Amino acid sequence: EPEVTQTPSHQVTQMGQEVILRCVPISNHLYFYWYRQILGQKVEFLVSFYNNEISEKSEIFDDQFSVERPDGSNFTLKIRSTKLEDSAMYFCASSEEWGMSEQYFGPGTRLTVT
Amino acid sequence: DAKTTQPPSMDCAEGRAANLPCNHSTISGNEYVYWYRQIHSQGPQYIIHGLKNNETNEMASLIITEDRKSSTLILPHATLRDTAVYYCIVRLEGGSEKLVFGKGTKLTVNP
Repeated sequence: EPEVTQTPSHQVTQMGQEVILRCVPISNHLYFYWYRQILGQKVEFLVSFYNNEISEKSEIFDDQFSVERPDGSNFTLKIRSTKLEDSAMYFCASSEEWGMSEQYFGPGTRLTVT
Repeated sequence: DAKTTQPPSMDCAEGRAANLPCNHSTISGNEYVYWYRQIHSQGPQYIIHGLKNNETNEMASLIITEDRKSSTLILPHATLRDTAVYYCIVRLEGGSEKLVFGKGTKLTVNP
């Protein structure tokens, strides 16, 4: 069964450093998402992406964040200058269609900012 | 999107049916009910969704009341691997693609 994959599974970085989290969505999916979950808190939407453009973003997704689909398979989330409060699990998701299509999530990347 | 209310936790014996309730009293006519679950910090997993008819798939059944103000997710024969946080999410057809997760119900399946 096809699945969303994410790398790395765990990333440790120092405050102020740039990090890139990588995702490979399901191959025939066209819509891509990033969510995050701070330890013990709710899963929060960050951004949705379609046709090489951001289609929706949350207030969390400020100028420090960016997303890119550099080739036909990868989807990345970049945090330019990490802060302690960026420590969280970051989940990538993809869906086949717009509208009422279910989203398939990857296993997540645990980001720890020290 | 309509707000949902779920009990914070539930227990179920292994092999028995788990019935997880969700209230969505402000749901509108074109809002769907979705269920996802999250097993111990893994990525959320889609379970099932419906509009007004009851739905069943290989994982679960979804029962939506006639007035659509509440629903129940049924896991017919719960196993230890079904221990997870279950989220009931209401989504507007043609609206935002984002999933808005609440705190969900922590289901513990006991041996």
